[in-house]
Amino acid sequence: QVQLVESGGGVVQPGRSLRLSCEASGFSFYNYAMHWVRQAPGKGLEWVAVIWFDTNIIYYADSVKGRFTISRDNSKKTLYLQMNSLRVEDTAVYYCVRDWDCSDGVCSALDYWGQGTLVTVSS
Amino acid sequence: SYDLTQPPSVSVSPGQTASISCSGDGLGDKYVCWYQQRPGQSPVLAIYQDTKRPSGIPERFSGSNSGNTATLTISGTQAMDEADYYCQAWDSNTYVVFGGGTKLTVL
Repeated sequence: QVQLVESGGGVVQPGRSLRLSCEASGFSFYNYAMHWVRQAPGKGLEWVAVIWFDTNIIYYADSVKGRFTISRDNSKKTLYLQMNSLRVEDTAVYYCVRDWDCSDGVCSALDYWGQGTLVTVSS
Repeated sequence: SYDLTQPPSVSVSPGQTASISCSGDGLGDKYVCWYQQRPGQSPVLAIYQDTKRPSGIPERFSGSNSGNTATLTISGTQAMDEADYYCQAWDSNTYVVFGGGTKLTVL
């Protein structure tokens, strides 16, 4: 069965960095685009970034562009999110999510979600 | 940027039909997905490509999309359907867009 396990969350001061990881299993990781989606406490879902299966296409939300970097290592079946210059408003649960089908520059549906990892940015 | 608008809350009696709307400019020209998020859990894909149900999603869940509005319909609503529901679409400039979410209360 598809499993996505995030790690790397924690408490960090504003302006510092953090790197999230997501280990995938139960499917051919190298065939699928992957997303990061976050959810602030008590708030709705906010998309963060997507990376195509071959890393040829990467998109970011405006709120994180220039500060966050999504990457992947298909040999390790692992997705990453490098978060720099963190702000208080980046506090959220971060979900690693598989996309059912991304092609021709368009993605279809976020079909499997991890359990999330909590990032708290606070002084 | 592209925005999707959902009502903050919808209430329904057990066994009745619940409808949750999602509106956006030209939404009918895009594919819409719906996600269910129960308290304390990760979201689950409930509807994709406007009308399709992933395996494991009960038949009482259905979707439609036309004009500027997509609708998630839950027929014969059960207590276990009480959750937050999010619509989502892909926009060429904003990429993945979520609606603000609708809290479905079954009472």
